[in-house]
Amino acid sequence: DTAVSQTPKYLVTQMGNDKSIKCEQNLGHDTMYWYKQDSKKFLKIMFSYNNKELIINETVPNRFSPKSPDKAHLNLHINSLELGDSAVYFCASSQGTGVFHGYTFGSGTRLTVV
Amino acid sequence: AQTVTQSQPEMSVQEAETVTLSCTYDTSESDYYLFWYKQPPSRQMILVIRQEAYKQQNATENRFSVNFQKAAKSFSLKISDSQLGDAAMYFCAYRTINQGGKLIFGQGTELSVKP
Repeated sequence: DTAVSQTPKYLVTQMGNDKSIKCEQNLGHDTMYWYKQDSKKFLKIMFSYNNKELIINETVPNRFSPKSPDKAHLNLHINSLELGDSAVYFCASSQGTGVFHGYTFGSGTRLTVV
Repeated sequence: AQTVTQSQPEMSVQEAETVTLSCTYDTSESDYYLFWYKQPPSRQMILVIRQEAYKQQNATENRFSVNFQKAAKSFSLKISDSQLGDAAMYFCAYRTINQGGKLIFGQGTELSVKP
């Protein structure tokens, strides 16, 4: 039973389209995150929700909008996709914001914009 | 702002040998957490080892151990008896206790293991 699951695993789409990536965790964690891994493998935080409340919103274009319907789900919607949005997007969860346990990551979604 | 630096983009080790991956960080905080994550070609992020800043004792997990030097802001990972399955990208990460507990990653070190 996957702890943090993301769908889809691969997404190929044309420029200008709108797409969503879904994330669900069954660990009972309070906090969820979205990270972007670029072509050089660098990982950078985008958003974080704690109990459905947005607590981290890094300098991300407003074409990216997260949504957390409940604390087990955190979705990422991207409008008007651009070539530069091509990356691997990771969802992660943790038991809280200031705890020792680190994150549990999903397997990532490889987004390719053509 | 906190930063994490991994100065070795690539490292190579012979199977059964020992290798050390370097990591330095910059912070003004006194309490925080440090982690090493492994990312094999499957791209899954796997937690390797973790360290609390207030603990002086270095963490150990089987063949993996760290050398944590708080004053020098250094957090290196030692892999003993390297195995082919250790080949992966390794990321050092710093977790703030404040700022929403975000994890700040280094650039990564690509480790190859030669048979």
